[in-house]
Amino acid sequence: AQTVTQSQPEMSVQEAETVTLSCTYDTSESDYYLFWYKQPPSRQMILVIRQEAYKQQNATENRFSVNFQKAAKSFSLKISDSQLGDAAMYFCAYAGLIQGAQKLVFGQGTRLTINP
Amino acid sequence: DAGVIQSPRHEVTEMGQEVTLRCKPISGHNSLFWYRQTMMRGLELLIYFNNNVPIDDSGMPEDRFSAKMPNASFSTLKIQPSEPRDSAVYFCASSYRVSGANVLTFGAGSRLTVL
Repeated sequence: AQTVTQSQPEMSVQEAETVTLSCTYDTSESDYYLFWYKQPPSRQMILVIRQEAYKQQNATENRFSVNFQKAAKSFSLKISDSQLGDAAMYFCAYAGLIQGAQKLVFGQGTRLTINP
Repeated sequence: DAGVIQSPRHEVTEMGQEVTLRCKPISGHNSLFWYRQTMMRGLELLIYFNNNVPIDDSGMPEDRFSAKMPNASFSTLKIQPSEPRDSAVYFCASSYRVSGANVLTFGAGSRLTVL
């Protein structure tokens, strides 16, 4: 079964600094998708960034970028110029064909604190 | 678009009562997902619909849980009878395909407390 592991339950960073959140996954598929979602205290799940496994180029969305290492099955999220509004739980997610359907499997999450 | 709309936002009920959670997906999205979030188990997929048809309900915990999607604009998740261990936040999400990927948009969640 596909699994997603986030080994850092909590991280903290100074405002304006850069932080990297780690994620590894396990799969035997060659075609899949990876996501990072953010969940602030409002508990709304917000899509941060998406990566297609067939693309070698790392995805970037403004201050958010990923380091996708397909062979290592690693998908880390880098947040540059951290802002107070970035404080949230961050979930890494894998989407592949599981039992014939494309489903999203989430990691346990990393709680990110921004220190002013 | 108002996004994915869930109701109620909060529900407190007593053990043994029936609970119905409701979801209105984004218009034009053809897939709908129900997730449950708890501290212990994280985010778990309960059931997934595609074009109103249940595709995979292997995540539904037991027969006390049931979900329906009578049309493209409405889905329900029902728990009967409810138990304290069902206390969680229940999320509904709808999705569209972008470059082959299901891109999910989540509702705000329904926080259920069973006493």
